[in-house]
Amino acid sequence: DVKVTQSSRYLVKRTGEKVFLECVQDMDHENMFWYRQDPGLGLRLIYFSYDVKMKEKGDIPEGYSVSREKKERFSLILESASTNQTSMYLCASSSHASGDTDTQYFGPGTRLTVL
Amino acid sequence: AQSVTQLDSQVPVFEEAPVELRCNYSSSVSVYLFWYVQYPNQGLQLLLKYLSGSTLVESINGFEAEFNKSQTSFHLRKPSVHISDTAEYFCAVSAGSYQLTFGKGTKLSVIP
Repeated sequence: DVKVTQSSRYLVKRTGEKVFLECVQDMDHENMFWYRQDPGLGLRLIYFSYDVKMKEKGDIPEGYSVSREKKERFSLILESASTNQTSMYLCASSSHASGDTDTQYFGPGTRLTVL
Repeated sequence: AQSVTQLDSQVPVFEEAPVELRCNYSSSVSVYLFWYVQYPNQGLQLLLKYLSGSTLVESINGFEAEFNKSQTSFHLRKPSVHISDTAEYFCAVSAGSYQLTFGKGTKLSVIP
């Protein structure tokens, strides 16, 4: 089974702090994604990566950056956290392999609260 | 670009009754379709998917969905729900570009 893990389930930070959210997958997947989930808005894509050191902006990249130095790890960085970044953050990964096309596998999520 | 509409934000249903969660999509190209389930305070789990072949796909826990190309729909059904099915369900579409476009979700509440 594919396993995607996220570094924290719950996180509380103060406004202005730098925040790192880490995601690790163990299935050698090429693609990795960061979403945020808010009530009534569903999932919104922040950034994704289709290879090491490659990144693409999603729908809401403002206020976020990402890093992918190793294939299995994808980090989301909030340079200066703000209260409007309080949300559930979900990481996912997927493979280029046919038969599993575009199927994304999700981690358990990190609920971030910014005070 | 693709879009997904989940017509109901909340669906209450009595235990052992049938349920249908509706999903319509919009796309100018061929698509792959997915249903994910999210239990409280958890990530999303893949429930079932349509990539090609038979238009009726089933999950291991009794859900099924039918791809209807003419109506651009992928509705999720279960003939008899259990309390444990209480969760939020997300429909998603992809056009083979690695990215999924998600609907806003439907909260299924099963009433004892």
